[in-house]
Amino acid sequence: QMQLVEAGGGVVQPGRSLRLSCAASGFTFSGYGMHWVRQAPGKGLEWVAIIGSDGSNEYYADSVRGRFTISRDNSKNTLYLQMNSLRVEDTAVYYCARGDLFPGYWGKGTLVTVSS
Amino acid sequence: EIVLTQSPGTLSLSPGERATLSCRASQSVSSNYLAWYQQKPGQAPRLLIYGASTRAPGIPDRFSGSGSGTDFTLTISRLEPEDFAVYYCQQYVDSRGTFGQGTKVEIK
Repeated sequence: QMQLVEAGGGVVQPGRSLRLSCAASGFTFSGYGMHWVRQAPGKGLEWVAIIGSDGSNEYYADSVRGRFTISRDNSKNTLYLQMNSLRVEDTAVYYCARGDLFPGYWGKGTLVTVSS
Repeated sequence: EIVLTQSPGTLSLSPGERATLSCRASQSVSSNYLAWYQQKPGQAPRLLIYGASTRAPGIPDRFSGSGSGTDFTLTISRLEPEDFAVYYCQQYVDSRGTFGQGTKVEIK
């Protein structure tokens, strides 16, 4: 059964860093592009980043470019999001999702709270 | 950046009624790059429609998508109790995706 499980969320101070992970199982991880999408409390969805199936291409939303880095380890079936210079406005549930173009299958998300 | 504007913000309907949701883009979007999602409280979103009109696997045929250029529509032919949720459109152009702000379909 296909599964995506995010981890690494928590409370962090502004300006600090955090790394999220997303463990994939039940499908051939290396065959798919992967996304990060976030949702601030009570707000809508915001696309964050995408990485190609072999990790060769990465694209970011303007709001996170230069601060966040998406990466993957196909040998470990795991997706990552390195988040640096965090801001209060980065507070959100972060979802990983499978898809070469659109996020077609989503994990349950992990909450990141940026607060002093 | 392409901006997607969804209307109405909230749609109040009764079970069995037809729901028509609109998504308008600030510039033309290829139909291949337009999708719709459903999100219920406390749950992750679920892909309903991609390529503007193709239903994702397992999605009931009461859900249909249409449109082209800058105007796209999601139609739910007859609302079931489980269809009351928030719906988002998304476009993916130039390797960047943006979502609309969402339409809430609530029970009247």
